[in-house]
Amino acid sequence: DVKVTQSSRYLVKRTGEKVFLECVQDMDHENMFWYRQDPGLGLRLIYFSYDVKMKEKGDIPEGYSVSREKKERFSLILESASTNQTSMYLCASSQTGSNQPQHFGDGTRLSIL
Amino acid sequence: RKEVEQDPGPFNVPEGATVAFNCTYSNSASQSFFWYRQDCRKEPKLLMSVYSSGNEDGRFTAQLNRASQYISLLIRDSKLSDSATYLCVVNFNNDMRFGAGTRLTVKP
Repeated sequence: DVKVTQSSRYLVKRTGEKVFLECVQDMDHENMFWYRQDPGLGLRLIYFSYDVKMKEKGDIPEGYSVSREKKERFSLILESASTNQTSMYLCASSQTGSNQPQHFGDGTRLSIL
Repeated sequence: RKEVEQDPGPFNVPEGATVAFNCTYSNSASQSFFWYRQDCRKEPKLLMSVYSSGNEDGRFTAQLNRASQYISLLIRDSKLSDSATYLCVVNFNNDMRFGAGTRLTVKP
């Protein structure tokens, strides 16, 4: 079974803090993704990566950055947290190929006070 | 127009009922399609892929209509444990687009 692990299930931070969300997958997947999910809006793609040290902007990259130094790890960074970044953050990974589904971690529920 | 649209529901059905959800997509060149299930405050989990000829997995049947650009999910003999939000996912060149989900509640 694919295992995608996110570092925290719940996190509370303050406005202006730098926040790190970590994601690790154990299936040697090439592709990794970060989404946020908000009520009524569905999943929105923040950033994704197709290879080590490679990153691409998704639909809502503003206020975020990412790092992929190793194939199995993909980090999401909130440079200066703001209250509108309070959300559920989901990491996913997949193999390369248009018919390959994504597999999700448990999610991190982040609150910015 | 949203890229992937679903009726948000909620669909409230009795145990044993048959229920169907549709999902429409805007990109006619979309290459692959999936249904995910998401329980409250949990991550989405892959329910099934959707193949061009349609496919079945136990009580679940998925169909694709490329001409009309929609996919469907049929659940037969609903169980209480089927209560969840069902997400439609459409893929084009590794760009996965998620619907906002359809909420299903199965009642005793």
